[in-house]
Amino acid sequence: DGGITQSPKYLFRKEGQNVTLSCEQNLNHDAMYWYRQDPGQGLRLIYYSQIVNDFQKGDIAEGYSVSREKKESFPLTVTSAQKNPTAFYLCASSTQGLAGARGETQYFGPGTRLLVL
Amino acid sequence: AQTVTQSQPEMSVQEAETVTLSCTYDTSESDYYLFWYKQPPSRQMILVIRQEAYKQQNATENRFSVNFQKAAKSFSLKISDSQLGDAAMYFCAYRSHTGTASKLTFGTGTRLQVTL
Repeated sequence: DGGITQSPKYLFRKEGQNVTLSCEQNLNHDAMYWYRQDPGQGLRLIYYSQIVNDFQKGDIAEGYSVSREKKESFPLTVTSAQKNPTAFYLCASSTQGLAGARGETQYFGPGTRLLVL
Repeated sequence: AQTVTQSQPEMSVQEAETVTLSCTYDTSESDYYLFWYKQPPSRQMILVIRQEAYKQQNATENRFSVNFQKAAKSFSLKISDSQLGDAAMYFCAYRSHTGTASKLTFGTGTRLQVTL
């Protein structure tokens, strides 16, 4: 089945630790995104990538890092510099890359809940 | 920067009735997309409906339809014949078509309860 997978479903981080959230898609989408969701708020964009080996900061990139070595994968690392990492993290993908095609829609994975110990 | 406002934190509807969720947005652009996403208790975001700003006709997907008022910058979602499975958080989102950036800007959501 085509879709977006995120792992793990739950992740616990200790003080000062870096943790990595996985996002994989087999939809052959060019663009991938990471969003953060806090209680009572909508989603906020952390990073996005429109093509392999390139990515851009979103609205709340501080304390996070990403890589895009493969089209299918867009892992997010929550670094120790992120002082309030407890949140629900959603990965998304879409067909739009640098071509900017019309009709592009973002599809979301099931999410990862990150908690701080 | 674009902003999206959902002024109804919670709404309730009886099964089989109709409910309308409100969304307004602020932008200086003329070409953009608007979306409604549903987030059930599983927390997966599911696309409900999409509207292109250049189209005057309101989008419809089965029991879901929108009232898109471009001049008023309003984009409401109407759910007809509400079902128990419609209970969820609903998010309105905006996407610019300017350049190649395609990030979504979300509202804060409306929690919809469906009662028997």
